Amino acid sequence: GQNIDQPTEMTATEGAIVQINCTYQTSGFNGLFWYQQHAGEAPTFLSYNVLDGLEEKGRFSSFLSRSKGYSYLLLKELQMKDSASYLCAVMDSNYQLIWGAGTKLIIKP
Amino acid sequence: ETGVTQTPRHLVMGMTNKKSLKCEQHLGHNAMYWYKQSAKKPLELMFVYNFKEQTENNSVPSRFSPECPNSSHLFLHLHTLQPEDSALYLCASSQDFETSGYEQYFGPGTRLTVT
Repeated sequence: GQNIDQPTEMTATEGAIVQINCTYQTSGFNGLFWYQQHAGEAPTFLSYNVLDGLEEKGRFSSFLSRSKGYSYLLLKELQMKDSASYLCAVMDSNYQLIWGAGTKLIIKP
Repeated sequence: ETGVTQTPRHLVMGMTNKKSLKCEQHLGHNAMYWYKQSAKKPLELMFVYNFKEQTENNSVPSRFSPECPNSSHLFLHLHTLQPEDSALYLCASSQDFETSGYEQYFGPGTRLTVT
């Protein structure tokens, strides 16, 4: 079966750095997405990785290793507004997104 | 604002009612999706429409019936639902389906409670 694993919840301090991991087992691979979802709101797109390596976008970076079935989202200089759920999703060989259950990130002052 | 709107935002219905959820996208996209989001569970893809044609139906019970009259509008018709159908129903759109690299844009969702 297809599976996406990510931690259920993480806590970090304002101004610090946090890394949210995602491991996957899917039927084929057409890219990995990270989304942010604030409570009661729509998920919004953060990043897309299809090749191995690190993609940097401001305070957020996303890393992919296809051989290890592994990705992480790195958030730097954490702000209170970064408190949200972070969803990892992999596009399989049928171009369907397979979603993880999300990681709830709590930022403390 | 993501360019995808959904109505209503909240819905309470009895098990014998019939209601419809509406989604509209203003992005010129060709693909539209219905997802179910339950607490602490992964998003579940329910239906996919590409160029108004249904391409995916992921074993969804017949009490959920989608309709896509054009590439900008998507409906989810509900009838004789069960309490376990209570969830957040999210609509999304993307430039295309069966093409990698295109992110999906989500609406704010309809919070459905079945009593």
